[in-house]
Amino acid sequence: AQSVTQLDSQVPVFEEAPVELRCNYSSSVSVYLFWYVQYPNQGLQLLLKYLSGSTLVKGINGFEAEFNKSQTSFHLRKPSVHISDTAEYFCAVSRRTAGNKLTFGGGTRVLVKP
Amino acid sequence: GAGVSQTPSNKVTEKGKYVELRCDPISGHTALYWYRQSLGQGPEFLIYFQGTGAADDSGLPNDRFFAVRPEGSVSTLKIQRTERGDSAVYLCASSENPGQGNLAEAFFGQGTRLTVV
Repeated sequence: AQSVTQLDSQVPVFEEAPVELRCNYSSSVSVYLFWYVQYPNQGLQLLLKYLSGSTLVKGINGFEAEFNKSQTSFHLRKPSVHISDTAEYFCAVSRRTAGNKLTFGGGTRVLVKP
Repeated sequence: GAGVSQTPSNKVTEKGKYVELRCDPISGHTALYWYRQSLGQGPEFLIYFQGTGAADDSGLPNDRFFAVRPEGSVSTLKIQRTERGDSAVYLCASSENPGQGNLAEAFFGQGTRLTVV
């Protein structure tokens, strides 16, 4: 079985400051890794995913994440946030043979302050 | 349609009643997933359909929960004898055929908020 831990439940950050959201996972098999964003009153939207290859993954809206196999981490970063980045962010994993059967972390709520 | 559509958006029901939640996936998507998101938590997998068949129903919590997808498109999640603990947002997602060694993006609907009183 897989598990995902998002270490911060809430992250307040000022506009134009950088932000990092931490994600650690546990799995006995190789996994795919994902970050999803959930804006207020909207569905989950894929930000980025790691399937294989380069460990630095770039996604939409200026976000990027780095896969670290030795530390079983997949932290999400953005160098300069906007008010519109206020949302809840979910890290997720799936077994490579299980497609989009995702195991999600508990989420990190990002509040961008002016 | 443009995206995954879930109806109703909100459902309030009394304890013990039966409810049905509907999911209209993106046209042509063969894979369909149901998740449940309780307050303050991440979504939890319930069931996965590939076409008309349930390929993986390991996440269904008990036999009060059942889902169908008779024509390989629209899916209905059915909950019998609802309990207050069933209150959550039920999310549906669809994707193209995952394929072997490849992964198609899953697109999520906005969910149905179920409240059992």
